[in-house]
Amino acid sequence: DGGITQSPKYLFRKEGQNVTLSCEQNLNHDAMYWYRQDPGQGLRLIYYSQIVNDFQKGDIAEGYSVSREKKESFPLTVTSAQKNPTAFYLCASSRQGDTEAFFGQGTRLTVV
Amino acid sequence: SQQGEEDPQALSIQEGENATMNCSYKTSINNLQWYRQNSGRGLVHLILIRSNEREKHSGRLRVTLDTSKKSSSLLITASRAADTASYFCATDRDNYGQNFVFGPGTRLSVLP
Repeated sequence: DGGITQSPKYLFRKEGQNVTLSCEQNLNHDAMYWYRQDPGQGLRLIYYSQIVNDFQKGDIAEGYSVSREKKESFPLTVTSAQKNPTAFYLCASSRQGDTEAFFGQGTRLTVV
Repeated sequence: SQQGEEDPQALSIQEGENATMNCSYKTSINNLQWYRQNSGRGLVHLILIRSNEREKHSGRLRVTLDTSKKSSSLLITASRAADTASYFCATDRDNYGQNFVFGPGTRLSVLP
């Protein structure tokens, strides 16, 4: 089955900790994205990558970091510099060009 | 930066009725897409309409695009309780047709 997988589904972070959210796709897509969604709101772009070993900041990159060492993987690290990290995080991928985005099922991160 | 804005923010209808949601955007686009999100899940692509198209159908979905007014509408006919979800429009923000920008969404409730 082709698809995009996020893990874990739920994640709890203590104040001052870094945590890494996993995103893996086997769709052979070049582009991958991370979005943040707050309750009752739309999606805001954190980072995106259009090719391996390259990525760009989105609208709200501060306090986050990413890597794209493999085409299939685009992990997101939420650092201690992110002051309000509690949110629902969505990873997506797409082919080059004007095609649809495929989304993972999301990771709900809570600071405790 | 937010490109698309859905209207209304929330909509409640009875099963069997039609549901219409609107999306307005600010800058020129290559295409516009509609996505659906069930509570606590990832987004699912519904339909893509290109800037040179005016109307598109997919099953019970009908999408229109008016580039002169920078607006789009999504019509769901003969709605079902299973259509209860949030619906988002997304526009491309660059010349590659990628890097999607999402609006805040319309929350649709279909009452049995």
